Amino acid sequence: RKEVEQDPGPFNVPEGATVAFNCTYSNSASQSFFWYRQDCRKEPKLLMSVYSSGNEDGRFTAQLNRASQYISLLIRDSKLSDSATYLCVVNKGGSGGYQKVTFGTGTKLQVIP
Amino acid sequence: DARVTQTPRHKVTEMGQEVTMRCQPILGHNTVFWYRQTMMQGLELLAYFRNRAPLDDSGMPKDRFSAEMPDATLATLKIQPSEPRDSAVYFCASGLVETGWQPQHFGDGTRLSIL
Repeated sequence: RKEVEQDPGPFNVPEGATVAFNCTYSNSASQSFFWYRQDCRKEPKLLMSVYSSGNEDGRFTAQLNRASQYISLLIRDSKLSDSATYLCVVNKGGSGGYQKVTFGTGTKLQVIP
Repeated sequence: DARVTQTPRHKVTEMGQEVTMRCQPILGHNTVFWYRQTMMQGLELLAYFRNRAPLDDSGMPKDRFSAEMPDATLATLKIQPSEPRDSAVYFCASGLVETGWQPQHFGDGTRLSIL
């Protein structure tokens, strides 16, 4: 089983729709979680961190479910510019110490006019 | 905006040849990561350095890959001899251990094709 798993998609959604992605992780010792965005043929960029209590940044909401070991990303009112691959990232270990960073393989989102 | 710089952007070479990829991290960042991305495997961590010392290179095939950081402004990833299965996009990223390495700032990548 992979340490971090994502549905590769693609998720094809119309503009204005709400879409959600999940990412499961296998190691219960994982401590911090993030979503990155990667546009076609570009480098990954941090989209948002995922906090235990859930957090929102504009149209984007991230949530963590430690009991079931998954994180989610919800995008409301999808825009064409949201079309990209969304990578889930899991860090095992604490800040300042040895850490292992694992990226998921990504979920591709295509927003259709 | 400060950026991670990678060279070359593209490399096409024949199998058996040596390939060297270079990375200049963001000034002041104390951790450098090397990743490989393919359609099948996604983004795989090959190795990373903290304050120029190798911390973990368990993701790297040791027989042909080597990673070094001769100074704070240069990290290198070398493949010798190269094989067609090494064809991928290789990303370098840098960050600060004090922030849990987030965000990681990625370079544009080196698109490597081994014929």
